[in-house]
Amino acid sequence: DAKTTQPPSMDCAEGRAANLPCNHSTISGNEYVYWYRQIHSQGPQYIIHGLKNNETNEMASLIITEDRKSSTLILPHATLRDTAVYYCIVRKSMDSNYQLIWGAGTKLIIKP
Amino acid sequence: DAGVIQSPRHEVTEMGQEVTLRCKPISGHDYLFWYRQTMMRGLELLIYFNNNVPIDDSGMPEDRFSAKMPNASFSTLKIQPSEPRDSAVYFCASSSRRRGGYGYTFGSGTRLTVV
Repeated sequence: DAKTTQPPSMDCAEGRAANLPCNHSTISGNEYVYWYRQIHSQGPQYIIHGLKNNETNEMASLIITEDRKSSTLILPHATLRDTAVYYCIVRKSMDSNYQLIWGAGTKLIIKP
Repeated sequence: DAGVIQSPRHEVTEMGQEVTLRCKPISGHDYLFWYRQTMMRGLELLIYFNNNVPIDDSGMPEDRFSAKMPNASFSTLKIQPSEPRDSAVYFCASSSRRRGGYGYTFGSGTRLTVV
């Protein structure tokens, strides 16, 4: 699976949009981009995933560049409860080796 | 749905003792994963099962670790004998390919401290 690069930490003001970048320059054509987050002392939580089209759900939006070498997770109106470590992962969704490779993630701190 | 249920939430044990961690996956999920998380190494996959069969246990640190899934609703991770370096948070997660790759659901974890 392709590796990802994320900034180690970011700040965002409460109520503003939080934009978390992720580079995955070696992504292959059949690899999906997944985002998870881990709030302190909890298990990781699935947020969203996509292949090449932009995706939106009740939690966030995922913007994937046309060349698919990078993506941005957008939390449209960040709240204090969004403070967490956010992980960007690329993998083959239907791969028989059905697992995720976790990096260090981005620690997002939402400030009042 | 109660989600993935792990027990106990916290475990403190003495070096050399046997430790058993338990996991109940979400009903209908056919994949189950055991992860370990430490500050130094982050999240590491230990083993995963598909339809109760172990598929990849290459992440299991050594023979002191063993995992079983006797049925679709229960799995255990056992450490015998335990050592201080096993101290970590252990997560269980489940998923289903029928969900079209919509991610894993993790439990709340078991924080293990070996003294």
